[in-house]
Amino acid sequence: DAGVTQSPTHLIKTRGQQVTLRCSPISGHKSVSWYQQVLGQGPQFIFQYYEKEERGRGNFPDRFSARQFPNYSSELNVNALLLGDSALYLCASSFRLAGGYEQYFGPGTRLTVT
Amino acid sequence: AQSVAQPEDQVNVAEGNPLTVKCTYSVSGNPYLFWYVQYPNRGLQFLLKYITGDNLVKGSYGFEAEFNKSQTSFHLKKPSALVSDSALYFCAVTNTNAGKSTFGDGTTLTVKP
Repeated sequence: DAGVTQSPTHLIKTRGQQVTLRCSPISGHKSVSWYQQVLGQGPQFIFQYYEKEERGRGNFPDRFSARQFPNYSSELNVNALLLGDSALYLCASSFRLAGGYEQYFGPGTRLTVT
Repeated sequence: AQSVAQPEDQVNVAEGNPLTVKCTYSVSGNPYLFWYVQYPNRGLQFLLKYITGDNLVKGSYGFEAEFNKSQTSFHLKKPSALVSDSALYFCAVTNTNAGKSTFGDGTTLTVKP
């Protein structure tokens, strides 16, 4: 079975631009979460979507938005990019919302803002 | 609010020796605890989890972890380390669902031949 896939792998953007990152969860997984991982730190929770509805939002500005499609794939959008947005963006899927279901992570999208 | 502390940035062990990677947590209610491993330029890979029941949980690649409620700890262990275990290890906690996990800052494990 295919794992979680993310695109693109790498991205270089200029301050003020907008970016869209894409994620396809494991088949059958309905929960998708997005995390930001800055170098030297652990992943920070940005959003969770389940059955196309937002189920949680981390402490990130409104420049960050996301959505989930009927096929459970998801997009993360970041507007008005800042240098501090440079990070590895990870997408994770899990089978259900219940606490005991572990997450499966994609390889991430490396975003560099210049 | 929930939080995770991994007090050691780096752990060095010799191949064949036992290893421990420490994790303490803070969360309201019952915790769900996870360990993930990250190899260079890769996403995180699930190792093991504690939901309820036995305090000693076993996971992938010979790893195990001990849940200690009184000390709010969930240390990762392996009886005999391999060079291939060298990687970045993350502890995570949630009291709702895994998709809203809070992660520690990670511990780099280096196993020397």
